[in-house]
Amino acid sequence: GQQVMQIPQYQHVQEGEDFTTYCNSSTTLSNIQWYKQRPGGHPVFLIQLVKSGEVKKQKRLTFQFGEAKKNSSLHITATQTTDVGTYFCAGIGHGQNFVFGPGTRLSVLP
Amino acid sequence: KAGVTQTPRYLIKTRGQQVTLSCSPISGHRSVSWYQQTPGQGLQFLFEYFSETQRNKGNFPGRFSGRQFSNSRSEMNVSTLELGDSALYLCASSWTTSGSIEQYFGPGTRLTVT
Repeated sequence: GQQVMQIPQYQHVQEGEDFTTYCNSSTTLSNIQWYKQRPGGHPVFLIQLVKSGEVKKQKRLTFQFGEAKKNSSLHITATQTTDVGTYFCAGIGHGQNFVFGPGTRLSVLP
Repeated sequence: KAGVTQTPRYLIKTRGQQVTLSCSPISGHRSVSWYQQTPGQGLQFLFEYFSETQRNKGNFPGRFSGRQFSNSRSEMNVSTLELGDSALYLCASSWTTSGSIEQYFGPGTRLTVT
């Protein structure tokens, strides 16, 4: 069945450094969504990407959907301590179920 | 605008029992999705309802069921509880318009099965 992987599993950065998490699907996705979950909190929807090669920005966050619609990335510029949390991608393949990646846990050291 | 509410917030049940969880979406949102989150399996999609119809279903056994009412409120039911059903159950309501989606999660119901 469809599998969604994320790398890295953990990332520790110094405040001000950039951060990138990568999401890879075993099958072509019709769309991909990104979420952030703070420790002890519930997921927060960040964005949905639909088009091949799509790039969207939200302030310091840049989201990209691969040309083949099998991978995606989330890049944070100049991390802040408020960026701490786990970032999940989730995708749905054509005719398949909605599958989450295992997440990338980001720690930001002040 | 009030957020997504879930009741109860915490629940302890015994193996073999059944449980019903409730989710009230944001006013105007017609889609409600349910998710299970555990340390071992992570986040998993259970099902999605839109206008009282199940639109999508994840890979969970038939013990997991749900429904949506005409006011968009949704319930999920788990019958014959197993220890492995202990999890945080999240619901999210969403609203989609041409090309854009707005989705918000509730705080979750933490279910413990003993």
